[in-house]
Amino acid sequence: NAGVTQTPKFRVLKTGQSMTLLCAQDMNHEYMYWYRQDPGMGLRLIHYSVGEGTTAKGEVPDGYNVSRLKKQNFLLGLESAAPSQTSVYFCASSMNQETQYFGPGTRLLVL
Amino acid sequence: GNSVTQMEGPVTLSEEAFLTINCTYTATGYPSLFWYVQYPGEGLQLLLKATKADDKGSNKGFEATYRKETTSFHLEKGSVQVSDSAVYFCALSGFYGNNRLAFGKGNQVVVIP
Repeated sequence: NAGVTQTPKFRVLKTGQSMTLLCAQDMNHEYMYWYRQDPGMGLRLIHYSVGEGTTAKGEVPDGYNVSRLKKQNFLLGLESAAPSQTSVYFCASSMNQETQYFGPGTRLLVL
Repeated sequence: GNSVTQMEGPVTLSEEAFLTINCTYTATGYPSLFWYVQYPGEGLQLLLKATKADDKGSNKGFEATYRKETTSFHLEKGSVQVSDSAVYFCALSGFYGNNRLAFGKGNQVVVIP
């Protein structure tokens, strides 16, 4: 039982490049979330999903897109990366929208 | 609007000292309250939670009581260890509606041997 896994662990991009972050969970959770963590800002919700095939915007969705084609996977895309998107990205999942289980994070550096 | 406020700044203390991290909230309705812990290089883990007023959450020697009258959920531990060095986040459900979590900014705790 791996819980929540994230791929990749670390990535460096140049401004304007695109990439996709993958989150996978094996707990059969309905709800999945993408957060970014920046110094002094805590965690901010980017997008979330309440079930397979659904997505919704969170607190800071601009510049990101998501997809939830399979229940166990939640993808976060950056179409044209900007230095302001340098951050640590965390995926989480939950069964009941309260207790969330987090992945280990992806460190992204945009030059 | 709904929000969570944690005390400013890192906390540095000696091993076996008493730890308190303050958390206050504003919310409508009856949210659940959480403390998450993030060890270096890892994701967040649920430390404890409380779902209604006067409930006490506890885990690994940490405790927090849901105080509706003071809108607080302060985290305490009687005797910290070096292994407790981490970042601690207070969180509130029901922030955006649909019970999504809202997090405080976190407190870095450093325990010195």
